[in-house]
Amino acid sequence: QSALTQPPSASGSPGQSVTISCTGSNSDVGAYTYVSWYQQHPGQAPKLIIYEVNKRPSGVPDRFSGSKSGNTASLTVSGLQAEDEADYYCNSYAGSSNLVFGGGTKLTVL
Amino acid sequence: QITLKESGPTLVKPTQTLTLTCTFSGFSLTTRGMRVGWIRQTPTKALEWLALIYWDDDRRYTPSLKSRLTITTDPSKKQVVLTMTNLDPVDTATYYCAHGTSAMPWTFHIWGQGTMVTVSS
Repeated sequence: QSALTQPPSASGSPGQSVTISCTGSNSDVGAYTYVSWYQQHPGQAPKLIIYEVNKRPSGVPDRFSGSKSGNTASLTVSGLQAEDEADYYCNSYAGSSNLVFGGGTKLTVL
Repeated sequence: QITLKESGPTLVKPTQTLTLTCTFSGFSLTTRGMRVGWIRQTPTKALEWLALIYWDDDRRYTPSLKSRLTITTDPSKKQVVLTMTNLDPVDTATYYCAHGTSAMPWTFHIWGQGTMVTVSS
């Protein structure tokens, strides 16, 4: 069982916005700003899309945004496109040199 | 351009020791701030962080597997090696190595393609 809780699935139509949640505790998400999000297409390695809650690496479209409130982090994908269909994972630093992941969310573009 | 590639056995018997090698290019692990980590993904697609080695040879392990893991580096060969002892079928997974920097703490920016390991007798 993953340390961080994500909904197993999410969906939206092209052009819409979708938000995926990542719920932890006051020992991980709630305590640190080291929350990252990864996108994984079938058969590929995960790709970093958000780090430190809301920062985007170079090359990641600004349609992807991150936020955090209390023990829950969120990833919002705006202006959904077909290529956004993928699995999305969050992770968070959990103190004492430990890193925990969420169970992943399958995003379907309808 | 940073690249990483994992290599190792595809099939390991229970109780055996697994040795995985991550060969990287495009950076030096002796440069301040650099780090390489190992993450695995189970058949049910759950991700689990395993270990991390820093530019200064500092090493960190996930608490639940700490007693079974060893991460080392050979900077001259541009390799990071992960050893896991006493394998069990639940260790069946795709193992990834990934690059990180101090600019993105506890984040893995560039990942290898992964190597699949099956633990079975």
